[in-house]
Amino acid sequence: SQTIHQWPATLVQPVGSPLSLECTVEGTSNPNLYWYRQAAGRGLQLLFYSIGIDQISSEVPQNLSASRPQDRQFILSSKKLLLSDSGFYLCAWMSRNTGELFFGEGSRLTVL
Amino acid sequence: RKEVEQDPGPFNVPEGATVAFNCTYSNSASQSFFWYRQDCRKEPKLLMSVYSSGNEDGRFTAQLNRASQYISLLIRDSKLSDSATYLCVVNKEDKLVFGAGTILRVKS
Repeated sequence: SQTIHQWPATLVQPVGSPLSLECTVEGTSNPNLYWYRQAAGRGLQLLFYSIGIDQISSEVPQNLSASRPQDRQFILSSKKLLLSDSGFYLCAWMSRNTGELFFGEGSRLTVL
Repeated sequence: RKEVEQDPGPFNVPEGATVAFNCTYSNSASQSFFWYRQDCRKEPKLLMSVYSSGNEDGRFTAQLNRASQYISLLIRDSKLSDSATYLCVVNKEDKLVFGAGTILRVKS
């Protein structure tokens, strides 16, 4: 069966520091992968999606970047965090059969 | 106009009540529709897909009205454990667009 993991689960970072969140998927090959962000009390905002290695699309201009160095690995990064980057970051993969998204456990980032 | 709109609630209902949520979407080309459930500080999880003919899963019934571009979720015989945020989700070109969610609180 397919599983998805992301880490770290919780981060507290100072403004201006770098960020790296990692996500891996097991049990499927060539998945569509996604990074979403959920600000406190808000809906999910799609940040990046990827249909294959090194194929990444950005949905909104921002302070973040994403990379997919391997088929089942998706990384979210920032060189210098802003206060507005605080939020709950969710990695997900999509089942091509059903169109459903399956989420990792999430990474809660607080920028101080 | 937001791509997916939901009443944020909260809906406060007693145990055993029937409650209905509606959601509207703007992209008439959308092909897939879902309801997700999100518990506090957790990741969203699929509750049910929404099919054109409507579908039922136990106490939950989902319906789609393509002409009016809205989706509904009906929960019968509400349980305390149904308390959560319910997210309406629409597929747009291999990307899922989420509504901001409707909060449900079921009270004893």
